[in-house]
Amino acid sequence: AQTVTQSQPEMSVQEAETVTLSCTYDTSENNYYLFWYKQPPSRQMILVIRQEAYKQQNATENRFSVNFQKAAKSFSLKISDSQLGDTAMYFCAFMKQPYPGNTPLVFGKGTRLSVIA
Amino acid sequence: DAGVTQSPTHLIKTRGQQVTLRCSPKSGHDTVSWYQQALGQGPQFIFQYYEEEERQRGNFPDRFSGHQFPNYSSELNVNALLLGDSALYLCASSFSQRPTDTQYFGPGTRLTVL
Repeated sequence: AQTVTQSQPEMSVQEAETVTLSCTYDTSENNYYLFWYKQPPSRQMILVIRQEAYKQQNATENRFSVNFQKAAKSFSLKISDSQLGDTAMYFCAFMKQPYPGNTPLVFGKGTRLSVIA
Repeated sequence: DAGVTQSPTHLIKTRGQQVTLRCSPKSGHDTVSWYQQALGQGPQFIFQYYEEEERQRGNFPDRFSGHQFPNYSSELNVNALLLGDSALYLCASSFSQRPTDTQYFGPGTRLTVL
């Protein structure tokens, strides 16, 4: 079974600064997908960024980027130029290669990020 | 294009009662997954429906059951409610022909069991 660990229950960052959220996972799979989801107080789970394990290049989406270390089974999220709207719970999630059909997501316990003005 | 919708938004029940939660998937999606998110925790997979059948199931008791309709919408039923069933219930939809695509989540139903 896969497990996802987020070791930082809470973090805070000053507006416009950079923050990194940590995530480690355990799996025996070779092909899989990793995700960071954001859940603001509105509760809607929103995809921030995704990474395919077969890709060596780290994914980036505007101010969001990841540091994917497959051998270390580490998948951290870096948020640059933090904005007040980034305040939310952030969840790291794992999905093994679908075969066949869709496979469920395995989530960590989350990191609560507060951006301070 | 409507995203994933869920109803009701909030629900309060007492122990022993039964509850039904509803989910309409994003347009073009045919697969619905249900997750339970306890307070302060990450979501946990309950089960997934495709072609009106339960295809995969997480570690949840038989008190949790579901259904999928021909229009791909889905219901989650919980019988004999326990206090520990209090949680946010999230529905996620996806397209079976593109299983590596992103799953889209609804806003959730907050269930409180007294």
